[in-house]
Amino acid sequence: SQELEQSPQSLIVQEGKNLTINCTSSKTLYGLYWYKQKYGEGLIFLMMLQKGGEEKSHEKITAKLDEKKQQSSLHITASQPSHAGIYLCGADRGGSNYKLTFGKGTLLTVNP
Amino acid sequence: GAVVSQHPSRVICKSGTSVKIECRSLDFQATTMFWYRQFPKQSLMLMATSNEGSKATYEQGVEKDKFLINHASLTLSTLTVTSAHPEDSSFYICSARDPQVEQRDTIYFGEGSWLTVV
Repeated sequence: SQELEQSPQSLIVQEGKNLTINCTSSKTLYGLYWYKQKYGEGLIFLMMLQKGGEEKSHEKITAKLDEKKQQSSLHITASQPSHAGIYLCGADRGGSNYKLTFGKGTLLTVNP
Repeated sequence: GAVVSQHPSRVICKSGTSVKIECRSLDFQATTMFWYRQFPKQSLMLMATSNEGSKATYEQGVEKDKFLINHASLTLSTLTVTSAHPEDSSFYICSARDPQVEQRDTIYFGEGSWLTVV
């Protein structure tokens, strides 16, 4: 079973609209990473959340981690075509090897 | 600049042959590296954990004899796809972390390698 569920799997929005992507873990997380990717290219690190209730922002992207550290949301305000891509949440279960496992990803299309 | 480098970025090989992909940490020594595979329009699937000086740890369902991982030095891990078949065609990407850095948000990914088996 998928330990990390991402929704929606794909999303098409009009430029300027806000959107939210969710990531839910079946187990408590040590940390939660958000990355952006163009398929077939490297990953762009967006942010990492580690504390329950934590919220971080980078430009027009805000990510939150719930108090139980099992759910995170990524919110984009006033989306732009440059925001298009695959958004991936990665689960850090703790431990010394820093292994990340990923959700299925959300493919975001922003229409001009 | 990139701190984790993969080579080659693209490779085409004939069915039945083996192909090696390298993952190097450029500015740090990585005792552990990770190999992922990505299918079209899908997420990254963790294949294995590469441990310097010891055997790799494979995820469930990944054939260890098919995907040979060697981590012979602190800066280099290699993934060898043996007896490649067209279904092995995919995007392979590695990651590593600098163990000298205390923060956990310093996991670096390579640029990825495209494998096409014809």
